[in-house]
Amino acid sequence: QVHLEESGPGLVKPSQTLSLTCTVSGGSISSGGYYWSWIRQYPGKGLEWLGYIYYSGTTYYNPSLESRVSISVDTSQNQFSLTLTSVSAADTAVYYCARDRTIAGTTLSYGMDVWGQGTTVTVSS
Amino acid sequence: DIQMTQSPSTLSASIGDRVTITCRASQSISSWLAWYQQRPGKAPKLLIYKASTLESGVPSRFSGSESGTEFTLTISSLQSEDFATYYCQQYNNYPKTFGQGTKVEIK
Repeated sequence: QVHLEESGPGLVKPSQTLSLTCTVSGGSISSGGYYWSWIRQYPGKGLEWLGYIYYSGTTYYNPSLESRVSISVDTSQNQFSLTLTSVSAADTAVYYCARDRTIAGTTLSYGMDVWGQGTTVTVSS
Repeated sequence: DIQMTQSPSTLSASIGDRVTITCRASQSISSWLAWYQQRPGKAPKLLIYKASTLESGVPSRFSGSESGTEFTLTISSLQSEDFATYYCQQYNNYPKTFGQGTKVEIK
């Protein structure tokens, strides 16, 4: 059974960089078949998809964040990471990593079937 | 971006009730829609994908349907564990976008 767990600082100062890591256990990122994704949930409960990475390193980001966001993968550690630069209070949220099942030969997917428990990030001085 | 509009925002219901939640897309998304359930303090859980396909392990009282750009999640007989917030998500176009959520409360 695949398990995802987010880790990283819970408090980040404005204008600094937010870095989170998602550790995957019970399955290998390198096996393919999944987009490894980041999603955040604002205090008001709205959900925003941030982007994904495939095991090959292919990424896709939400254009609203594209200049600030990057996702990387470390297949040797079975981890993938989120970096968000120049954060502000508007980036305060619960950050989730999730597994999104790909549909072979397309950029489509079948939905995010495994999620981490989420990690709360507050941007404040 | 494709806008997903859910209704109602809040729904009060009793155990055993039939519950229907609607999600409307701002443009065609074919059948590329998922429904998630989120209990307080927990991550979202995938219930249905491709508009009407039940995720493995999800009780059969949950079902999904579509008509054009309008999608429906139905719970045929509400159980105590179903009191939660439900979100739709489209994945036909990037960026993938979510509805604002429907909270199902105890009446």
